Amino acid sequence: DAGVIQSPRHEVTEMGQEVTLRCKPISGHDYLFWYRQTMMRGLELLIYFNNNVPIDDSGMPEDRFSAKMPNASFSTLKIQPSEPRDSAVYFCASSFGTPTEKLFFGSGTQLSVL
Amino acid sequence: EDQVTQSPEALRLQEGESSSLNCSYTVSGLRGLFWYRQDPGKGPEFLFTLYSAGEEKEKERLKATLTKKESFLHITAPKPEDSATYLCAVHFTGTASKLTFGTGTRLQVTL
Repeated sequence: DAGVIQSPRHEVTEMGQEVTLRCKPISGHDYLFWYRQTMMRGLELLIYFNNNVPIDDSGMPEDRFSAKMPNASFSTLKIQPSEPRDSAVYFCASSFGTPTEKLFFGSGTQLSVL
Repeated sequence: EDQVTQSPEALRLQEGESSSLNCSYTVSGLRGLFWYRQDPGKGPEFLFTLYSAGEEKEKERLKATLTKKESFLHITAPKPEDSATYLCAVHFTGTASKLTFGTGTRLQVTL
C-alpha cells in the first residue's frame, strides 16, 4: 500500500492567495483527518471526516479554512485568503474503524505564506 | 482544558545509554494514550496504545508504560536510528473522538 499521499510537499504563496492542499487516504480507511503542526502548538486537529461526512470541524481556525471530501479517496483543505500566520506543516491522516486508534499520517505539506 | 505535557523537550544520549521520556496529562479521564515516532520531514508513525494504569507495551528497544497520571517511554540501549521526535497523544473522556497531542521530545542518539 502506498500509504496516505499528500500534495504538494511544499507550497510557497503570497498573503491573500488561495491555497489548496490535497490528500488521498489509504484505501479502505473510513476516517480522514487534517492536522496542522507548528513548533509552538504542536499537532492540532483541524477537522475529521467519517465516511466522507465532516464530523468535527471545531479545530478549523476561522472561515478562511474549508475542507471537503467528495469521495472516499480524496480530500482537500483550502485556505482563502491565506495569511502569514497560516504557515505550518499540514498533515492528512486516515484510520480504519475508529477516529482515535492507529492513525496513518502522510508526509505533510510545508506551507509558507509570505 | 485537557492538556498533555511531554518532557524533556530534547534529549541527547550516547549509543547504549538508556533513558526515559515522560508524558503527563490532566487527570480528567483517559480513554487511551498513544505514542508516535516522527522523523524529520515525515508524518508521525504509530508505536503503541495504552488503555489502563499498569499496562505495558514493548517493541524492540522501546517500552511504554502507563500510570494514572503519566506515561513513560523507556529506551533501552538506544541506537542512532532511534533518533526522532517522540509524540504522546491522549484520548480524553468527554472530548468526543479526537486526540490531544503533546509537543514531543526530540531524541538524538550519538555514537
